[in-house]
Amino acid sequence: EIVLTQSPGTLSLSPGERATLSCRASQSVSSNYLAWYQQKPGQAPRLLIYGASSRATGIPERFSGSGSGTDFTLTISRLEPEDFAVYYCQQYGSSPLTFGGGTKVEI
Amino acid sequence: QVQLVESGGGVVQPGRSLRLSCAASGFTFSTYAMHWVRQAPGKGLEWVAFISYDETTKYYADSVKGRFTISRDNSKNTLYLQMNSQRAEDTAVYYCARDPSQSGSYYFQYWGQGTLVTVSS
Repeated sequence: EIVLTQSPGTLSLSPGERATLSCRASQSVSSNYLAWYQQKPGQAPRLLIYGASSRATGIPERFSGSGSGTDFTLTISRLEPEDFAVYYCQQYGSSPLTFGGGTKVEI
Repeated sequence: QVQLVESGGGVVQPGRSLRLSCAASGFTFSTYAMHWVRQAPGKGLEWVAFISYDETTKYYADSVKGRFTISRDNSKNTLYLQMNSQRAEDTAVYYCARDPSQSGSYYFQYWGQGTLVTVSS
């Protein structure tokens, strides 16, 4: 099983700042099959990024994904008030499908 | 627009059974693979089960294998999760989620709002 470790656990930033979230895999993620999700309190997760760097439909350009192998990054170029949430990475390159523990982006 | 609406959650005693449903609309349900994903209170996300568009392929997390069964009725645009021999650690919000493809790309393109299952005596 691939274990995903997200860091930091909590990121305290202000609107307009840049956010950099890390997701590290215990072994190489096949074909960079890595997705990112955003979850706000009381809501379902929302797909942001798939294939490590492809934005999902309707996702603003300020969200970008990068990385390969075992190290992946989600960057939010300029934080908007609605971006304060928890972010999860997920690998789908091997079974079982696994998620990271999440990074909370707070004001 | 894609809509997924879960139902069937509630309080169930340990060892008992519960069946969850997920009603799909806004897309051709019969042409997409589907998943169940759960989230224990205050915790992270855990994938539970996968089913291909035609039910020929099913996968389960080890934590539920042999106890949970995923199925679908394409004539009713509905996904199911039969949960037997429930344990306290099954307490979670259960989400249904649509895969981007028929046979599985294995990430979660759209999500329902979830239904809470509480296993308690």
